[in-house]
Amino acid sequence: EAGVAQSPRYKIIEKRQSVAFWCNPISGHATLYWYQQILGQGPKLLIQFQNNGVVDDSQLPKDRFSAERLKGVDSTLKIQPAKLEDSAVYLCASSLDADTQYFGPGTRLTVL
Amino acid sequence: GENVEQHPSTLSVQEGDSAVIKCTYSDSASNYFPWYKQELGKRPQLIIDIRSNVGEKKDQRIAVTLNKTAKHFSLHITETQPEDSAVYFCAASHGQLTFGSGTQLTVLP
Repeated sequence: EAGVAQSPRYKIIEKRQSVAFWCNPISGHATLYWYQQILGQGPKLLIQFQNNGVVDDSQLPKDRFSAERLKGVDSTLKIQPAKLEDSAVYLCASSLDADTQYFGPGTRLTVL
Repeated sequence: GENVEQHPSTLSVQEGDSAVIKCTYSDSASNYFPWYKQELGKRPQLIIDIRSNVGEKKDQRIAVTLNKTAKHFSLHITETQPEDSAVYFCAASHGQLTFGSGTQLTVLP
């Protein structure tokens, strides 16, 4: 079975610019997650979707981050405007049973 | 919320020796405990998981133990090989995963 797909794999932007990341989960997985992984740390949950509804976005910095999953499949995560501290790998994961999560390859964001 | 602590942060072992990584969690409602392996520049990959109704689970050279009373769980890798070198993350879940800070395992040939 195909895994979680993400694009782009790398992105370099200047601070105050905007950026968007895309995720396509494993087919049939209703739950989708976005994580931020700063170098040397474990992934931190930003937002969790169940189908196209938000389950938890308590750790999403809503003044600059937004995410959507309009048709219950693909999802996009946007940062506007970006700050230096947003430099990280953004991981998307999906789950069939809301427990076992499978991760995509991630998007490495560098903010200059 | 949940807090997961992981030790040690770095671990070096000789090839063929065993490696043990330990984690503690704070939320007694957590009921699912996966372990992920992450190689440099790669995605986290699930290597083994355990649920709260089980005390131990084994898959070839990898085993995980869970002590619900003490709220700690451990990963055991036997007969380590150089390809086991990676960062290992534990996590605890009661609906959402909270990750530990990771252990850099180096297996010396």
